[in-house]
Amino acid sequence: AQRVTQPEKLLSVFKGAPVELKCNYSYSGSPELFWYVQYSRQRLQLLLRHISRESIKGFTADLNKGETSFHLKKPFAQEEDSAMYYCARTRGTGKLIFGQGTTLQVKP
Amino acid sequence: DVKVTQSSRYLVKRTGEKVFLECVQDMDHENMFWYRQDPGLGLRLIYFSYDVKMKEKGDIPEGYSVSREKKERFSLILESASTNQTSMYLCASSPHSRSRSSYNEQFFGPGTRLTVL
Repeated sequence: AQRVTQPEKLLSVFKGAPVELKCNYSYSGSPELFWYVQYSRQRLQLLLRHISRESIKGFTADLNKGETSFHLKKPFAQEEDSAMYYCARTRGTGKLIFGQGTTLQVKP
Repeated sequence: DVKVTQSSRYLVKRTGEKVFLECVQDMDHENMFWYRQDPGLGLRLIYFSYDVKMKEKGDIPEGYSVSREKKERFSLILESASTNQTSMYLCASSPHSRSRSSYNEQFFGPGTRLTVL
């Protein structure tokens, strides 16, 4: 079965510390990978997608096909990065499968 | 700007009631989705529709049905609400065409928090 695994339910760091949110996916075909973010009281929204290869709000994610990973990284966390983060991969036409989510808490 | 709206932010219903959750999108997207969002379980797909009157079961369709009579509107129906259907429900839409830069990206509504007593 196709799966996306985010092993950490909660990641707590201090402001200015590096952040890495882990994501592993089951290999099947050539999936497209995404990171979605949900800030407090806001709707879920796309943060970045692997095919864009861009940095959004200082976050980057590299697709590692050998390890089937798509970890989200930021060198210096900010308090406004505190949110719920979901990793997702495509499955079938138009559909996504999401991981369990990781809450990032950035302490002052 | 893509806009996905959901009819209610909060809803409280009693066990056994029939519940309708409505979702409307204004971007002419072909695909629409209903998810449940539960802590520790992430987002789980309930139903998916890829065109008017077309639907496909997701991972957890039991106890739910859907209706898509118009392209912009996708309704989730709880035939007989139960307490284990207390959850946050998210609607999303996405374009079907590979020619769009947002292909495969899903745009989400604000969510409906449903409590079944």
